[in-house]
Amino acid sequence: ETGVTQSPTHLIKTRGQQVTLRCSSQSGHNTVSWYQQALGQGPQFIFQYYREEENGRGNFPPRFSGLQFPNYSSELNVNALELDDSALYLCASHLGQGIYGYTFGSGTRLTVV
Amino acid sequence: DQQVKQNSPSLSVQEGRISILNCDYTNSMFDYFLWYKKYPAEGPTFLISISSIKDKNEDGRFTVFLNKSAKHLSLHIVPSQPGDSAVYFCAAIAGGTSYGKLTFGQGTILTVHP
Repeated sequence: ETGVTQSPTHLIKTRGQQVTLRCSSQSGHNTVSWYQQALGQGPQFIFQYYREEENGRGNFPPRFSGLQFPNYSSELNVNALELDDSALYLCASHLGQGIYGYTFGSGTRLTVV
Repeated sequence: DQQVKQNSPSLSVQEGRISILNCDYTNSMFDYFLWYKKYPAEGPTFLISISSIKDKNEDGRFTVFLNKSAKHLSLHIVPSQPGDSAVYFCAAIAGGTSYGKLTFGQGTILTVHP
């Protein structure tokens, strides 16, 4: 059984650019939730994708968007990057809309300069 | 608005002793609580959870206590081992286990000395 895989592991972008982060869900899971963890803080919920649709969103602006594909993998897109977007981005895959099987990936470390 | 707070950024204990990590919350709608452990360069891993209908849940060396009236929960690790050294996050859910949005605290760095 493969776990949750995120790519890339590290990324450096310039302010104003756009970035796409990827997440492959664990086998058997059909839902992906994305979190942002700033330095010294706990993870903050960005949004959840279930059956290829956004299903719940945290307090993040529209320039944070996502996709889920038929194989349940997911992308997080951030437009017009700001310095404060520098953080560890975590995805978690799970089964259904709840927390059954909730499994986190190792994250993508994004640095905006 | 920090709805889940872990007021101790760090905790240092001796191997074999008890580690107590604390967490406070403000949202009365939270009805399910979880503890996660995180090593560097890894994602958080689930440790133990508790429903708001209980006041204690035990799993091996780990016990979580919930005091609903005080909106406070704690994680006890007995005995502590050097391998327990990690960042511990408290998380909460409103709406039970059927809703997948976790609200996390800031984390507590636990260091267990041999």
